[in-house]
Amino acid sequence: DGVMTQSPLSLPVTLGQSASISCTSSQSLVHSDGNTYLNWFHQRPGQSPRRLIYKVSNRDFGVPDRFSGSGSGTVFTLKISRVEAEDVGIYYCMQGTHWPLTFGGGTKVEIK
Amino acid sequence: VHLEQPGTEVGKPGSSVKVSCKASGGMFSTYALSWVRQAPGQGLEWMGGIIPILGAPQYAQKFQGRVTIIADESKKTVFMELTSLTSDDTAVYYCARGPPIPVGTERPYPPYYYGMDVWGQGTTVTVSS
Repeated sequence: DGVMTQSPLSLPVTLGQSASISCTSSQSLVHSDGNTYLNWFHQRPGQSPRRLIYKVSNRDFGVPDRFSGSGSGTVFTLKISRVEAEDVGIYYCMQGTHWPLTFGGGTKVEIK
Repeated sequence: VHLEQPGTEVGKPGSSVKVSCKASGGMFSTYALSWVRQAPGQGLEWMGGIIPILGAPQYAQKFQGRVTIIADESKKTVFMELTSLTSDDTAVYYCARGPPIPVGTERPYPPYYYGMDVWGQGTTVTVSS
């Protein structure tokens, strides 16, 4: 199975500052159709996950433009600029290029 | 689209549990519906999914032989049955709908389309004697 490794595990941030989360895949996420299928999800405590970013860099409807995704091949980044209190929770990357779909272990974002 | 799941289910060790997921407010048959579980304090794990109009489900190898996912198009409901339960199966089980599949997408569809853009609220499954 494709292994997705996230870092850091925990990320304390100051309100208004930026935060970056890294996600590395054990294999290239470029599909034979030319697309790179890497998504990012956010899960607040006690809630279902919510997709933020799909196919590396596309924001879902309603996701603030403070969130941006980038990367290629095996290395990907989620950046949150100007962190707000509502951004706390756990962030997961997920690859959809290879079977089975696999998630990173998660990065917990908290306010300092 | 809204995905409705029961809040809780209980199963005894060695038995099975069947969880439902009813879709409303959108298309059903042409989207993948997947099951993702989350053990207490742990991360997310994809178990399998189905595109109702195609019928044949996809399963993660870890769950092959123990999980069955079926779709009832008339009821817009997907079911996930997990057998031979152990305490390790205690978790929240989410159903989630995949993104729209563009017309002309070649089969077999990439796993991405079994991914999740809409999530249910989750069903807490407790395995206990």
